[in-house]
Amino acid sequence: DSGVTQTPKHLITATGQRVTLRCSPRSGDLSVYWYQQSLDQGLQFLIQYYNGEERAKGNILERFSAQQFPDLHSELNLSSLELGDSALYFCASSAGTGHRTFGSGTRLTVV
Amino acid sequence: GQQLNQSPQSMFIQEGEDVSMNCTSSSIFNTWLWYKQDPGEGPVLLIALYKAGELTSNGRLTAQFGITRKDSFLNISASIPSDVGIYFCAGDLTGSARQLTFGSGTQLTVLP
Repeated sequence: DSGVTQTPKHLITATGQRVTLRCSPRSGDLSVYWYQQSLDQGLQFLIQYYNGEERAKGNILERFSAQQFPDLHSELNLSSLELGDSALYFCASSAGTGHRTFGSGTRLTVV
Repeated sequence: GQQLNQSPQSMFIQEGEDVSMNCTSSSIFNTWLWYKQDPGEGPVLLIALYKAGELTSNGRLTAQFGITRKDSFLNISASIPSDVGIYFCAGDLTGSARQLTFGSGTQLTVLP
């Protein structure tokens, strides 16, 4: 157990729908990162939050959004889902700019 | 954006053999990291490298930060079945691991 909790573990939904992925960081970590991992691909950085504020943005689509709440948990919202959005979505956390610890991921399947 | 070329894409080796994989980039990085991902899990940090030329070991794993700062390699000695997984390199431009660029991974299979 890495200490980073992601829910749900699996999600199957239809095209056009909207889903919310949730992440609870390790205790004490202020930074949360979201990554997308498609089949046979490395991890693509989506977005980072630090203590509730957006810190960095990567290749995140406009249909996707995220936020970090006062209790430091984070949610990634994916809307108008397409087949190509099917992937593993990982959350990671770190204390400031230290090394990040990854959760076990949410596997999203869009049908 | 920055790209990391990781090779080989996959490897099949016999238990007990040594393994080597590497990452190259056209960009200069200030930090190189190596992660391992087991099936159904997130990546776990194996080794972090911070200086050009640095050679760091973690048990049977050894990694080096290339002198040009554009490459890194990971060696695994005397492989065992639990070494199976996907190994990722990641580079950071900022030196604080704030922005990581990941390679596409090396899938390692260890045959008994």
